[in-house]
Amino acid sequence: GQQVMQIPQYQHVQEGEDFTTYCNSSTTLSNIQWYKQRPGGHPVFLIQLVKSGEVKKQKRLTFQFGEAKKNSSLHITATQTTDVGTYFCAGPDEDTDKLIFGTGTRLQVFP
Amino acid sequence: DTEVTQTPKHLVMGMTNKKSLKCEQHMGHRAMYWYKQKAKKPPELMFVYSYEKLSINESVPSRFSPECPNSSLLNLHLHALQPEDSALYLCASSQDSRGGGSDTQYFGPGTRLTVL
Repeated sequence: GQQVMQIPQYQHVQEGEDFTTYCNSSTTLSNIQWYKQRPGGHPVFLIQLVKSGEVKKQKRLTFQFGEAKKNSSLHITATQTTDVGTYFCAGPDEDTDKLIFGTGTRLQVFP
Repeated sequence: DTEVTQTPKHLVMGMTNKKSLKCEQHMGHRAMYWYKQKAKKPPELMFVYSYEKLSINESVPSRFSPECPNSSLLNLHLHALQPEDSALYLCASSQDSRGGGSDTQYFGPGTRLTVL
């Protein structure tokens, strides 16, 4: 079945450092979504990318969708302690349209 | 209103108990979902309701029984659960009427379930 993997699994950074998580799908995706889950919280939608090569920015967060629409990345510039949490990418299964979540990257930011 | 509410927040139950989880949304969404999430893992889809009809059941054991009384409400009835069913149970909704892969999903805060 379709698989969506993320690397790294876990990263800790000093506040102010940059952070990037990478998402790779075994199949082409019609879109990619990113969610953030704070410790003890629930997934919260961040953004959706649809076009090949698309880049979107939200303040310090930059999201990119690969040209082949099989990979994506999330880059955070100058991390803050409020960025702590697990970041999940998710894409639709091409046969059923079910949303398949990536394995997640857990970010820890030390002040 | 972009909120999905879930009750209860926490639930502890024995293996012989019967309990229900409740979820509500007032965004006019036509698809609602139950997910199960274990610690440090991504959410796993359990059920999808589309226009109040069960459209996807991810081979979930019959001790979990979903119900959609109307377009705003979703219940998950629990009976004879096992300790390994302890997890965070998340409800979500989206405008899309299929599996929800093309639309934003709005998640509720979840019910943290412990089965003794």
